[in-house]
Amino acid sequence: QVQLVESGGGVVQPGESLRLSCTASGFIFSTQPMYWVRQAPGKGLEWVAYLRKDGSNKYYADSVKGRFTISRDNSKDTLYLQMNSLTTEDTAVYYCAKDRWYSFEYWGQGTLVTVSS
Amino acid sequence: QTVVTQEPSFSVSPGGTVTLTCALSSGSVSTSYYPSWYQQTPGQAPRTLIYNTNTRSSGVPDRFSGSILGNKAALTITGAQADDESDYYCVLYVGSGLWVFGGGTRLTVL
Repeated sequence: QVQLVESGGGVVQPGESLRLSCTASGFIFSTQPMYWVRQAPGKGLEWVAYLRKDGSNKYYADSVKGRFTISRDNSKDTLYLQMNSLTTEDTAVYYCAKDRWYSFEYWGQGTLVTVSS
Repeated sequence: QTVVTQEPSFSVSPGGTVTLTCALSSGSVSTSYYPSWYQQTPGQAPRTLIYNTNTRSSGVPDRFSGSILGNKAALTITGAQADDESDYYCVLYVGSGLWVFGGGTRLTVL
């Protein structure tokens, strides 16, 4: 069965960086586009980033463009999100998700990022 | 800036039918937006219900259905059950590599 396991969350100060990972299993990772989606405490879901299966196309929400970088290592079945210049507005649970027909078919359990001074 | 709008809240009686909608600020929703729907209970990851307008995700019961109703995407729940009480989110692919979530609908079953 499909499994997505996020890691790398934690508490950081404003301006600092963090890298999230998402390890995939149960499907052929290298053939699937992937996403990051986040949810601030008590708020709704927000799409963050998309990455094509071969890493050639990357798209970002305006709120993170220029600060976040999505990448993948298909040899390790792992998706990444490098987050720089973090602000308190980036505090959220971050989910990775597998694509199906421009939607988020399977989700991980999420990893919490807290940006606080 | 594209905004996707959902009803903030809705109530349905057990056994009843409810239709939640997903509207676009700049025009009509069509299948070209690949509308999808997600269910989320507090503290849990979202669960995919519907993708590509009307395709049920694996394991989703057939009392959940997706469609286009007029100029909106719609999620219909027939025979509502107590454990359907959740937050429901739609998302649209608005093109140019952008996805936009609606604000979510909190469904109460009572």
